[in-house]
Amino acid sequence: SQKIEQNSEALNIQEGKTATLTCNYTNYSPAYLQWYRQDPGRGPVFLLLIRENEKEKRKERLKVTFDTTLKQSLFHITASQPADSATYLCALGPNDMRFGAGTRLTVKP
Amino acid sequence: DTAVSQTPKYLVTQMGNDKSIKCEQNLGHDTMYWYKQDSKKFLKIMFSYNNKELIINETVPNRFSPKSPDKAHLNLHINSLELGDSAVYFCASSQDYRGGGEQYFGPGTRLTVT
Repeated sequence: SQKIEQNSEALNIQEGKTATLTCNYTNYSPAYLQWYRQDPGRGPVFLLLIRENEKEKRKERLKVTFDTTLKQSLFHITASQPADSATYLCALGPNDMRFGAGTRLTVKP
Repeated sequence: DTAVSQTPKYLVTQMGNDKSIKCEQNLGHDTMYWYKQDSKKFLKIMFSYNNKELIINETVPNRFSPKSPDKAHLNLHINSLELGDSAVYFCASSQDYRGGGEQYFGPGTRLTVT
């Protein structure tokens, strides 16, 4: 069956460091992969999309990589700030969008 | 202006009751979704409509019935509520469901069944 796993339930890092979150999937051939941010009590907010023929995408301090051979995406936040603390979800599509369980990132000052 | 709105934000009801959650988007999108997020924060798709037509219907009990009167609205009606239905329900929309467009989520409806 299709499975999406995000590396850890929680990740704690120090302000200024780079946070790296992992999304692995099995039994799936996604055409694209998306990353979302979710704050407590709110709906997810879209951050980045990367397609199967793209290796890397950047947006400001965010970087996403997509390795269809390894079936893995890495999500990096450079120069992390306490305001980056949130849960980050990866999602695979198209058609039936499937979300990972999320990684709760805490950036400590 | 709120892009995707849901009402109510909180819903507390007893087992066996029937309830509805409403969703509206003002983004002009063609596709709308309903997701359920359980206590473990796992977000699972339930239904998807494209231009009022059902395109995704995951394994959801038939007590759940979506209704799309027009492409800007997707309501969720739940019959005979059960304790296990307690969760946060999110509505979302996207330009279309094939192109990989970002999804815009509503604020969620926290349903508590007692």
